[in-house]
Amino acid sequence: AQSVTQPDARVTVSEGASLQLRCKYSYSGTPYLFWYVQYPRQGLQLLLKYYSGDPVVQGVNGFEAEFSKSNSSFHLRKASVHWSDSAVYFCVLSLDSNYQLIWGSGTKLIIKP
Amino acid sequence: GPKVLQIPSHQIIDMGQMVTLNCDPVSNHLYFYWYKQILGQQMEFLVNFYNGKVMEKSKLFKDQFSVERPDGSYFTLKIQPTALEDSAVYFCASSPHWSAETLYFGSGTRLTVL
Repeated sequence: AQSVTQPDARVTVSEGASLQLRCKYSYSGTPYLFWYVQYPRQGLQLLLKYYSGDPVVQGVNGFEAEFSKSNSSFHLRKASVHWSDSAVYFCVLSLDSNYQLIWGSGTKLIIKP
Repeated sequence: GPKVLQIPSHQIIDMGQMVTLNCDPVSNHLYFYWYKQILGQQMEFLVNFYNGKVMEKSKLFKDQFSVERPDGSYFTLKIQPTALEDSAVYFCASSPHWSAETLYFGSGTRLTVL
């Protein structure tokens, strides 16, 4: 069955440090992968998406993610985090680009001053 | 940017009562969705809606659930009667196209059924 796993429920990093949020997926077909972010008291916002092509995709606010078919992963990275990056991040799998999204459980990112 | 508004942000009701969750989608969007997230669990698709009709629904969309968008106003999710297991955060989304990448989400309504 299809699934998305975010193994870290909570990640704490210092401001200015680099970041990686992990995401593993399980799907035998062509995955369409997304990272969404939810800032406090706001709706979910799309950070970036991967459909095909270059496995490293760029998103907003300096985020990028790398797709690895061999590892079934889609990890999110940022070179230097800012306090405003504090939020919950969701990795999402779309089957054949339709609306039936399969969500990871989310990773809460906490930025230390 | 475009925003999806969900009203109210939190609702508390007694089991067996009816509840209506309201969603004000982006004005020119045509496709509407509800997702459910039980505390500590993954978000799951409930239903999507287009041109006045339910297009697809998941097994979570029980008979007690219904959706409508009368006269282009709010897109609503009604639960009648409510059960304890309906306690969750319900997210509304809308999109201009039939595609996951163009979804815009609201901030969710936390429903607590006592």
